[in-house]
Amino acid sequence: DVKVTQSSRYLVKRTGEKVFLECVQDMDHENMFWYRQDPGLGLRLIYFSYDVKMKEKGDIPEGYSVSREKKERFSLILESASTNQTSMYLCASSSPGGGANEKLFFGSGTQLSVL
Amino acid sequence: GENVEQHPSTLSVQEGDSAVIKCTYSDSASNYFPWYKQELGKRPQLIIDIRSNVGEKKDQRIAVTLNKTAKHFSLHITETQPEDSAVYFCAASKLSNYQLIWGAGTKLIIKP
Repeated sequence: DVKVTQSSRYLVKRTGEKVFLECVQDMDHENMFWYRQDPGLGLRLIYFSYDVKMKEKGDIPEGYSVSREKKERFSLILESASTNQTSMYLCASSSPGGGANEKLFFGSGTQLSVL
Repeated sequence: GENVEQHPSTLSVQEGDSAVIKCTYSDSASNYFPWYKQELGKRPQLIIDIRSNVGEKKDQRIAVTLNKTAKHFSLHITETQPEDSAVYFCAASKLSNYQLIWGAGTKLIIKP
């Protein structure tokens, strides 16, 4: 079974703090994604990466950055957390065997609260 | 760009009855349409997907139908069971694209 692990299930941070969300996958997948999930809005793509050190902006990259130094690890960084970044963050990975967006495997999510 | 609308936002059905969730998309070039299920407190999981070269796909009690002319696709769940209670998300994309465009989700409630 593919395992996508997010380092924290719940996180509480203060406005202005720098926040790191970590994601690790164990299936040697090339593609990794960071989504944000808000009620009534579905999932919105923040950033994705199709290879080590490669990254592309998604729909809502403002206020976020990412890092992919190793194939199995994709980090999401909130440079200066704000209250409107309070949300559920989901990491996902996929294999390039089919389309890059086919068969996403998600992590359990990190519920981030910014106070 | 692509836009996906999903209806209804909440669906309540009697156990054993069928449930249908519908999504419409805007980009006629989209050719890949997955459905994900997210149980309460859990991660989204792919339950079924369809490519634009077929009109219907079935997997036991679930099926997806695609109408390319009308640009809509639907998830059908027959003989619903309590474990079908979850939020269901549709999405649309071009297979060559990294980006899935997601619907807002449908909360399916199965009444005993």
